[in-house]
Amino acid sequence: AQSVTQPDIHITVSEGASLELRCNYSYGATPYLFWYVQSPGQGLQLLLKYFSGDTLVQGIKGFEAEFKRSQSSFNLRKPSVHWSDAAEYFCAVGLNTDKLIFGTGTRLQVFP
Amino acid sequence: DSGVTQTPKHLITATGQRVTLRCSPRSGDLSVYWYQQSLDQGLQFLIQYYNGEERAKGNILERFSAQQFPDLHSELNLSSLELGDSALYFCASSVIAGGRGGELFFGEGSRLTVL
Repeated sequence: AQSVTQPDIHITVSEGASLELRCNYSYGATPYLFWYVQSPGQGLQLLLKYFSGDTLVQGIKGFEAEFKRSQSSFNLRKPSVHWSDAAEYFCAVGLNTDKLIFGTGTRLQVFP
Repeated sequence: DSGVTQTPKHLITATGQRVTLRCSPRSGDLSVYWYQQSLDQGLQFLIQYYNGEERAKGNILERFSAQQFPDLHSELNLSSLELGDSALYFCASSVIAGGRGGELFFGEGSRLTVL
């Protein structure tokens, strides 16, 4: 069955530390891949997306993600986390249909 | 501000009641999506409309229904409410369907509490 997995429910990092949030998908073909962020009390906002081409994509707020076909992964990274990055992060995939499927999310907590 | 407007922001009602959530998409967006977010189920896709027509259906209960009107606003109707329906309901809109690579723009959600 098609699925999107974010194995880390909750991650805690210190401000200034690097960050990597994991996302794996289970599909036969390469889907459209997205990362969204949800700040407390807000809707989701697109951080970045991958369609094709360069497997390292840059997004807003200093985030980047790397698509690895062999691992069916699309991990989100940031070299130095800021306290304002505390939020919930969702990986999402689209398979050239109208439906967009979200992972269960990873809650990021940042300590000063 | 995403440009997507949802009303009401908060709603408290009793079991067995019926409520209507409203969504105005961004200007020019033809696709409207409804998602339910709860602690135990995460972000669940309910239904999508494109220019007034239903295009995709997810885990939407039979007690729930939605429609998109000619002016492109959408309503999600929830009836015979149960305690488990308490959740944050998001509307999103897009120019191109999210599953085809389009960016979804989310409203701030309608928080429904069923007592």
